[in-house]
Amino acid sequence: GAVVSQHPSWVICKSGTSVKIECRSLDFQATTMFWYRQFPKQSLMLMATSNEGSKATYEQGVEKDKFLINHASLTLSTLTVTSAHPEDSSFYICSATGQGRVTNEKLFFGSGTQLSVL
Amino acid sequence: AQTVTQSQPEMSVQEAETVTLSCTYDTSESDYYLFWYKQPPSRQMILVIRQEAYKQQNATENRFSVNFQKAAKSFSLKISDSQLGDAAMYFCAADNYGQNFVFGPGTRLSVLP
Repeated sequence: GAVVSQHPSWVICKSGTSVKIECRSLDFQATTMFWYRQFPKQSLMLMATSNEGSKATYEQGVEKDKFLINHASLTLSTLTVTSAHPEDSSFYICSATGQGRVTNEKLFFGSGTQLSVL
Repeated sequence: AQTVTQSQPEMSVQEAETVTLSCTYDTSESDYYLFWYKQPPSRQMILVIRQEAYKQQNATENRFSVNFQKAAKSFSLKISDSQLGDAAMYFCAADNYGQNFVFGPGTRLSVLP
């Protein structure tokens, strides 16, 4: 099956610093990538959708200046949490889908990143 | 817009028994996909089973099968011969060709030895 690699798995940072999370599709071209946030014991909350080469589409209530998403190639998307604060602490998950036999309209997930802001 | 509802926050099943997790959805699309994803304690999301809405036949994957009732917009997951490794959060999801994945709130499944 298709593989999506997400790094880092966990990160601890000081309040006010920026953190970058990478999401790579290893064996398929990800035409669309999604970024989710998940609080403990809750469902995935979609933050934004990005198509390669286009600006990301953010969900209502998600600050686009705080959560910068770049999808510059068909295999890489990044989420940068700028000027992170303790309330940004959460589990962030990326996912990707593409076209063709490998993905076949399925959604493949990265392993997630636990962000802790001190 | 699509919405997905899972009315059972928690379920439990005895090992080797069968359990059914419920899911209802609403969509204005005529063609779409439905999914069940599993999230174990590792928090890695794992695809369990997928159903194309235009197919009347219920999807099956080994011990996992669905009961897809399109008119009722219902999509339940049946797990047969439950195993300890099945314990996880289960999320029902609906999608319109990879552009609009929507997840339900999840059902936490416990498997009792």
